[in-house]
Amino acid sequence: QKEVEQDPGPLSVPEGAIVSLNCTYSNSAFQYFMWYRQYSRKGPELLMYTYSSGNKEDGRFTAQVDKSSKYISLFIRDSQPSDSATYLCAMSSMGRRALTFGSGTRLQVQP
Amino acid sequence: ETGVTQSPTHLIKTRGQQVTLRCSSQSGHNTVSWYQQALGQGPQFIFQYYREEENGRGNFPPRFSGLQFPNYSSELNVNALELDDSALYLCASSGHERTGRSHEQYFGPGTRLTVT
Repeated sequence: QKEVEQDPGPLSVPEGAIVSLNCTYSNSAFQYFMWYRQYSRKGPELLMYTYSSGNKEDGRFTAQVDKSSKYISLFIRDSQPSDSATYLCAMSSMGRRALTFGSGTRLQVQP
Repeated sequence: ETGVTQSPTHLIKTRGQQVTLRCSSQSGHNTVSWYQQALGQGPQFIFQYYREEENGRGNFPPRFSGLQFPNYSSELNVNALELDDSALYLCASSGHERTGRSHEQYFGPGTRLTVT
């Protein structure tokens, strides 16, 4: 079993929809949670960074962490065709800065 | 503030050869991590360097080695290349000395390595 599980998709939504992306994890030592966006054949771009449990909002993006359920989410409001990309969740633990990634969810926003 | 840069962009090598990939970290960052990303997968941690010392290693054989220089730039070396080494190699920098937000990692564009 992988430490971080993520549905690979693809997820196809119409422009303007609310998108929900999720990851589950098994390692209770994870304290830092990140979401990256990766366009085809490019490097991952950091979107959201959260420490421990709770919510964080940045523009159209909201990240949620529920450590009791070992479940994290990224919500995208008013989705745009330019949001079409692969979204990767990543996590790390205190004292170990190596990131453990999910396999990524491919999102397609249809105009 | 300049971002993370990597060179070369693409590389084709033959099985058994050796390769060196290079990375310049973001201004002010003292930590560099290397990841391997196979097609359709998330990045896998190879190792990390902090102030020129290896600071953690993933499940990769010793033929994957690295260096970090005093200016915090870094090299990844892979010896005895195998077909399965074909992947996107990503460098990430972190550990902004001013803010101390050491867990945020910023990635470069990657080097796509093809082994034939």
